[in-house]
Amino acid sequence: SQKIEQNSEALNIQEGKTATLTCNYTNYSPAYLQWYRQDPGRGPVFLLLIRENEKEKRKERLKVTFDTTLKQSLFHITASQPADSATYLCALEDTGGFKTIFGAGTRLFVKA
Amino acid sequence: EAGVAQSPRYKIIEKRQSVAFWCNPISGHATLYWYQQILGQGPKLLIQFQNNGVVDDSQLPKDRFSAERLKGVDSTLKIQPAKLEDSAVYLCASRKTGINEKLFFGSGTQLSVL
Repeated sequence: SQKIEQNSEALNIQEGKTATLTCNYTNYSPAYLQWYRQDPGRGPVFLLLIRENEKEKRKERLKVTFDTTLKQSLFHITASQPADSATYLCALEDTGGFKTIFGAGTRLFVKA
Repeated sequence: EAGVAQSPRYKIIEKRQSVAFWCNPISGHATLYWYQQILGQGPKLLIQFQNNGVVDDSQLPKDRFSAERLKGVDSTLKIQPAKLEDSAVYLCASRKTGINEKLFFGSGTQLSVL
């Protein structure tokens, strides 16, 4: 069956450290993968998109990698800040259609 | 530009009652989605529209849920009758075209079924 799996446990890190979040998928062949941020009581907000032919994408303190062989994406936040505390969702496009499917998300807590 | 608008923000109903949610996507966005997000889970796609046509509704419980997108702009999602397990946040999202574009989400409607 098709699955998108993210770290189910919350990630707690100290301010200034690098947070690394994982997204694994099974039985999908996505052309690209997206990462979103969701704060409590709000809808998800788009952060980054990486295509299957791209190994790495950066935006300010954010970095995403995409390994289609391992069927995995890693999301890094460098020099993390308490304001980075949120839930991070990975999403991919289901093949053959335009459906965007989301993982369950990983909660990140950055302590000052 | 204005974002995706949703209303109401909160709704509390008793089981077996009906409820409707409204969404106004970003102007010019052809694709509109309704997602259900249960506490602690990721958004689950219920239905997807391309203009005013349904592209995918395979996850929509059609015995109780219905949705329409009039004139390819606004959309409404209805539940009738509601069950306890329908308690969730209902998110509307839109994007310009079908693929390779980011989704823009509204703030959602939090539904509590008692």
